[in-house]
Amino acid sequence: EIVMTQSPATLSVSPGERATLSCRASQSVSNNLAWYQQKPGQVLRLLIYGASTRATGIPARFSGSGSGTEFTLTISSLQSEDFAVYYCQQYNNWPSFGGGTKVEIK
Amino acid sequence: EVQLVESGGAVLRPGGSLRLSCAASGFNFDDYGMTWVRQAPGKGLEWVSAINWNGVSTGHADSLKGRFTISRDNAKNSLYLQMNSLRVEDTAFYHCARVILGHCDGDTCWGYFDSWGQGTLVTVSS
Repeated sequence: EIVMTQSPATLSVSPGERATLSCRASQSVSNNLAWYQQKPGQVLRLLIYGASTRATGIPARFSGSGSGTEFTLTISSLQSEDFAVYYCQQYNNWPSFGGGTKVEIK
Repeated sequence: EVQLVESGGAVLRPGGSLRLSCAASGFNFDDYGMTWVRQAPGKGLEWVSAINWNGVSTGHADSLKGRFTISRDNAKNSLYLQMNSLRVEDTAFYHCARVILGHCDGDTCWGYFDSWGQGTLVTVSS
């Protein structure tokens, strides 16, 4: 099983600032990595797939990078609607998720 | 618009069985693989099981030790999860999601999940 580790567990950011979230895989997953956003009471939302491709309708302030074992999700200028929990998921083998990063208002 | 609606969640005693359903609409159901992902209250996401477009190929998380079975009925646009020998630690919201294939190794393919349902709550308690 590929273990995904996200850091930090919680990120405190002021609106308008940049947020950088990390995801590490226990072995290489190439670029077979996706990012999701979860907000209370809402359906999970796909943000990024292929490590860096934005899903349909996702604003350009969200960007993904990395390959192999190290990945980053960057939110360039946090909007109020971006405060949420973010998960990474690898699909290089049977899927597994990271533990999540909660982005909260500073 | 893609819609996935789960049902069948309940409160059960340990050792019980339950079948969850996921009704799909807004897309050609038999063109896509489907998956179940669960989330214990206040915890993170855990992949449970996946099935390919025609139901021939399935996969389950090793941690389930064969207690869960995924299936589908393309004529009814429905996905199912049969859960047996339920344990307290199976308590979670169970979400169904549509799979977009992204990577294949031989005959086995995996992907990411582009549409999700709201989930149905399964509570296992003595």
